[in-house]
Amino acid sequence: ELKVEQNPLFLSMQEGKNYTIYCNYSTTSDRLYWYRQDPGKSLESLFVLLSNGAVKQEGRLMASLDTKARLSTLHITAAVHDLSATYFCAVEGKLTFGTGTRLQVTL
Amino acid sequence: GAVVSQHPSWVICKSGTSVKIECRSLDFQATTMFWYRQFPKQSLMLMATSNEGSKATYEQGVEKDKFLINHASLTLSTLTVTSAHPEDSSFYICSARDLAGGPYEQFFGPGTRLTVL
Repeated sequence: ELKVEQNPLFLSMQEGKNYTIYCNYSTTSDRLYWYRQDPGKSLESLFVLLSNGAVKQEGRLMASLDTKARLSTLHITAAVHDLSATYFCAVEGKLTFGTGTRLQVTL
Repeated sequence: GAVVSQHPSWVICKSGTSVKIECRSLDFQATTMFWYRQFPKQSLMLMATSNEGSKATYEQGVEKDKFLINHASLTLSTLTVTSAHPEDSSFYICSARDLAGGPYEQFFGPGTRLTVL
């Protein structure tokens, strides 16, 4: 059974700081997704990572994938309040979601 | 971009009644749609995979007689929660794959919040 774990589960950080969210998964996969969810809302797609070594960046967010380590990271650079949300990684074509990381960026 | 709609966006019903939720792909065709359930402050859990013209595939632990799924066309899938009870209260989200686009991305609907009294 595929298991997907994220850490941390909750992250409070100040504006302007950098931090990384980690996503570990238990079985081989070449596809990994990152999503953002605002309270009471559905999912917004952030990144689709399709191969080992893939790196994608959008604004202050950068995602990478290491399929050998079964690890993906979501790096936040110079956080701003608007990034406050819950972030999920998900693995495989039939998506198995991680536990989620609730990010709170404080002024 | 690909758009998926859900209706209704929220519903409140009495215990024992049935509720139908629609999921539509508005500008693309989807042979496969997925239904997820999300309880407060938890992750999304896949309930079932809906294939156009065939029976849905349910995940382990999901009662197929309670959660009826019909995928009658390439743009519409429905989830009916039969004889709903308070423990069925949850946020239900559907997603769909665009046949014509890349096979890797799913597009999510806005979700339906179900409250059973």
